[in-house]
Amino acid sequence: QSVLTQPPSVSGAPGQRVTLSCTGSSSNIGAGYDVHWYQQVPGTAPKVLIYGNTNRPSGVPDRFSGSKSGTSASLAISGLQGEDEADYYCQSYDSSLSVYVFGTGTKVTVL
Amino acid sequence: QLQLQESGPGLVKPSETLSLTCSVTGGFIIDATTFWGWIRQSPGKGLEWIGSIHYSGTTYDNPSLKGRVTLSLGTSMIHFSLKLTSVTAADTAVYYCARLRNTISGGMTQTHYYMDVWGKGTTVTVSS
Repeated sequence: QSVLTQPPSVSGAPGQRVTLSCTGSSSNIGAGYDVHWYQQVPGTAPKVLIYGNTNRPSGVPDRFSGSKSGTSASLAISGLQGEDEADYYCQSYDSSLSVYVFGTGTKVTVL
Repeated sequence: QLQLQESGPGLVKPSETLSLTCSVTGGFIIDATTFWGWIRQSPGKGLEWIGSIHYSGTTYDNPSLKGRVTLSLGTSMIHFSLKLTSVTAADTAVYYCARLRNTISGGMTQTHYYMDVWGKGTTVTVSS
């Protein structure tokens, strides 16, 4: 049940900055619940990139940053690198469904 | 370093029960604010949270699975398990186990959890 909407794909040249969006509603992001971001290289498990809207776990480059406003959240990747090619998912909590919800996912392509 | 590893049958017949175990190494299931969970990923439905369990035995599961989920802890507290009953082809997916941590230090409000460590995943196909 993907109640968080993400654009299917985003692309950019090496070194560029790209921004991925995650749009929710008043029962999840808009309710003030935290947004978390995961990176998934095809064939591997997701890996947390951002937790609690803006926090980076140890080992995640500071090229990755998160923000949240209203019913949406964003993940920015600056200085895009070839290794950033992956699928990216946002995640939050939905109070009307009483579940953790994930976004539809965005595939990032480095041109 | 905490590592998780899923195990179980890769093929389950329709209407039967899917059973998976997640082995925890390099860490402890017994932690005051940590939950342990299951997430699955299928091409048609993306990532879906199945349920979570605390070492105390408290569980939460996805209402969309209509009571088919049972979560349990191993007696030695080094693994936790998932049972999903009455499976259909729609349950075919890659199943991941994960550790859930709260964004608020010491907190246990369910709305603040995220998955900070994942297993590698195991593919389960439902077919006769």
